[in-house]
Amino acid sequence: DARVTQTPRHKVTEMGQEVTMRCQPILGHNTVFWYRQTMMQGLELLAYFRNRAPLDDSGMPKDRFSAEMPDATLATLKIQPSEPRDSAVYFCASATGTGGDIQYFGAGTRLSVL
Amino acid sequence: DAKTTQPPSMDCAEGRAANLPCNHSTISGNEYVYWYRQIHSQGPQYIIHGLKNNETNEMASLIITEDRKSSTLILPHATLRDTAVYYCIVRVPNSGGSNYKLTFGKGTLLTVNP
Repeated sequence: DARVTQTPRHKVTEMGQEVTMRCQPILGHNTVFWYRQTMMQGLELLAYFRNRAPLDDSGMPKDRFSAEMPDATLATLKIQPSEPRDSAVYFCASATGTGGDIQYFGAGTRLSVL
Repeated sequence: DAKTTQPPSMDCAEGRAANLPCNHSTISGNEYVYWYRQIHSQGPQYIIHGLKNNETNEMASLIITEDRKSSTLILPHATLRDTAVYYCIVRVPNSGGSNYKLTFGKGTLLTVNP
């Protein structure tokens, strides 16, 4: 059963620390998305990649967030330095980029910055 | 992407059909209707999508009105596990630009009662 895998599932850190979240997209999917979900803002797109190239990261705070795809099986989202307002659930999704272009989501990383 | 309007909440008895409405009166001719749901503490899950014909899969049925200005997601025999927030999204798949992302509104919280 193919699925998007995210690690860690939960992360508690202190303000100012670096946080790295990882995502393994479904094999063969060439498009990867990072979303963030908070009670106030709901689900919002942070960044997405196609064929490992970043296409849009306009939803991401540039000064502290960075997203990369070192290879086709790994996407990372880093926050440095982290702030309490970054506390949220971060979801990764992947898609084939063809046909119905259905996005499949991981279980998320719940981040708490104290 | 066209805006969608959904009721904030609905209730349904277990075993009965759940009919979730969505208005998308400004939908354009090449926009599809997608439905996703999010069960508590999980990532969003794709349910079904369609352009203008009614669609059915193992999870649900999608009924789109002839003028395409509204649609209804039908869960034929709702179970307690169907309790979730259901999102109706309209977009053009694989069209590039901002349409790569899913724009989630507030959705409908469906509560299935025993």
